[in-house]
Amino acid sequence: AQSVSQHNHHVILSEAASLELGCNYSYGGTVNLFWYVQYPGQHLQLLLKYFSGDPLVKGIKGFEAEFIKSKFSFNLRKPSVQWSDTAEYFCAVNRQKAGSYQLTFGKGTKLSVIP
Amino acid sequence: SQTIHQWPATLVQPVGSPLSLECTVEGTSNPNLYWYRQAAGRGLQLLFYSVGIGQISSEVPQNLSASRPQDRQFILSSKKLLLSDSGFYLCAWTEKGISTYEQYFGPGTRLTVT
Repeated sequence: AQSVSQHNHHVILSEAASLELGCNYSYGGTVNLFWYVQYPGQHLQLLLKYFSGDPLVKGIKGFEAEFIKSKFSFNLRKPSVQWSDTAEYFCAVNRQKAGSYQLTFGKGTKLSVIP
Repeated sequence: SQTIHQWPATLVQPVGSPLSLECTVEGTSNPNLYWYRQAAGRGLQLLFYSVGIGQISSEVPQNLSASRPQDRQFILSSKKLLLSDSGFYLCAWTEKGISTYEQYFGPGTRLTVT
């Protein structure tokens, strides 16, 4: 069965520190990969997505992610975090089933940025 | 523009009571609709999805059921709630077609079963 693993449950960083959140998936076919973010009190929203082409994907608010097919990974990065990046981050993989595309999510990583 | 609504925002229900959570989407037609449950430290678990009116698929066996009486309405129900049904329930929609379409999530309903 398809699964998504996020290695860190809770990450605490100081402002201006660099961020890398790990995500590994298990699926042998073509994948579409997503990072979603949930800011406190807000809807879950899309941060960035990879479908094909350049494996380095840039998203909103200075985030980027790199798809490494050989490692089945899609790690999220940001060179310098801000207090406003405090949120929970979810990695997800898309799969097709019975006429619908479904997302399999990782368990999430809570990021706390200390001013 | 498209919007997705969920209500109620919060709900406290006793064990054994019924449940009805509603989700509606505006600004699109014939979407795929999804119900997820989010539990702390466990990510988002897909509960049900629907590709059309009256078409419901269940991902996991559970105490819950779903219905889609109208094109843009998706309802999550239970006849008798269990303590384990507590959680944060999210509705989502996506356009049909290719896999590149993202899912758009509603604000969620926080359910506490006492």
